[in-house]
Amino acid sequence: GENVEQHPSTLSVQEGDSAVIKCTYSDSASNYFPWYKQELGKGPQLIIDIRSNVGEKKDQRIAVTLNKTAKHFSLHITETQPEDSAVYFCAAPPGEGTSYGKLTFGQGTILTVHP
Amino acid sequence: GAGVSQTPSNKVTEKGKYVELRCDPISGHTALYWYRQSLGQGPEFLIYFQGTGAADDSGLPNDRFFAVRPEGSVSTLKIQRTERGDSAVYLCASSQFGGPETQYFGPGTRLLVL
Repeated sequence: GENVEQHPSTLSVQEGDSAVIKCTYSDSASNYFPWYKQELGKGPQLIIDIRSNVGEKKDQRIAVTLNKTAKHFSLHITETQPEDSAVYFCAAPPGEGTSYGKLTFGQGTILTVHP
Repeated sequence: GAGVSQTPSNKVTEKGKYVELRCDPISGHTALYWYRQSLGQGPEFLIYFQGTGAADDSGLPNDRFFAVRPEGSVSTLKIQRTERGDSAVYLCASSQFGGPETQYFGPGTRLLVL
């Protein structure tokens, strides 16, 4: 099955700095890579996703890059704000079979943005 | 519109008891997923429904766990003879078609087995 590794486990930045979180995956046939943000006591919420036919996607201060050859994808947050503080998870589905929606999640990154 | 809802939000039970956790997906979503999240970990897949049928139940840890979705909408996760190791947050998600697409998560049910 799919194996997803996420680094770092914790990340502390000053407000206005950039934050980068990286994930690697094992299934070379995977074709969809979402990033979720989870705040305390809430369920994960999708913030951005990318499909394997593009190398980068951007939405305001958030961007995701994908390197299919190396099997890794990264979340980039620019101009961080205190409200960006949360746990961030990457995920990937299996590349083949009937469970394309079955996500394997990384271990999570606790992002703290200091004012 | 309304998002995914889960009830109860918290459940405390004793070891050996039976519990049911309910999920109401977004209206019209054909796919429904159950995940389990332990403290400090990412969600772990349990089971995935496409309509009324379980398309993949490979994540259910053992036969004490069972889930149903009889009318293709609401789903219930059932845990028999609960153990302390079952304590976790149980998350439900739904998506429109069931492929590689956005999954919308509910707030979860926090289960504590004493």
